[in-house]
Amino acid sequence: SQTIHQWPATLVQPVGSPLSLECTVEGTSNPNLYWYRQAAGRGLQLLFYSVGIGQISSEVPQNLSASRPQDRQFILSSKKLLLSDSGFYLCAWNSGLETQYFGPGTRLLVL
Amino acid sequence: EDKVVQSPLSLVVHEGDTVTLNCSYEVTNFRSLLWYKQEKKAPTFLFMLTSSGIEKKSGRLSSILDKKELSSILNITATQTGDSAIYLCAVVPRGGAQKLVFGQGTRLTINP
Repeated sequence: SQTIHQWPATLVQPVGSPLSLECTVEGTSNPNLYWYRQAAGRGLQLLFYSVGIGQISSEVPQNLSASRPQDRQFILSSKKLLLSDSGFYLCAWNSGLETQYFGPGTRLLVL
Repeated sequence: EDKVVQSPLSLVVHEGDTVTLNCSYEVTNFRSLLWYKQEKKAPTFLFMLTSSGIEKKSGRLSSILDKKELSSILNITATQTGDSAIYLCAVVPRGGAQKLVFGQGTRLTINP
């Protein structure tokens, strides 16, 4: 069966520091991968998606970037964090069908 | 721009009550609608509704898609405290990489 991992689970970072969040998927090959951000009490906003290695599409202009160095690895990065980057970051995958399956998420607090 | 609106944003009921959550959407080219339940962390998948499958049921939960009204409802009967969660509705437009457009979510609280 497929499993999706995210780490770290929680992160507290100062403003201006770099960020790297990692997501990996097991039990499937060539998945579509997605990064979402969820602000407190809000719905999910799609940040990036990838249909293959090295292929990244950005949905909103922002302070973040994404990379997919391996088939089942998706990384979310920032060179300098802003206060507004705080939130709950969720990685998701699907196999080309509609239903997306989510990882456990990373709660980021920028101070 | 594709848009999904859920109502109410928050709902508090007593255990045993029946609740109905609403989701309306504006999508250029509709493909499917999904419902998720989010407790502490990751949203978990509940239902997918499409033109060929407009009604789904699982235990005390059921959902209907109304393509004419561009909306969907999620019903929960005989609610339990374990049903307390945020319920998210998302729409998948045709084309692209199955990008989900989410509503704001409904926070449901079931009091004993």
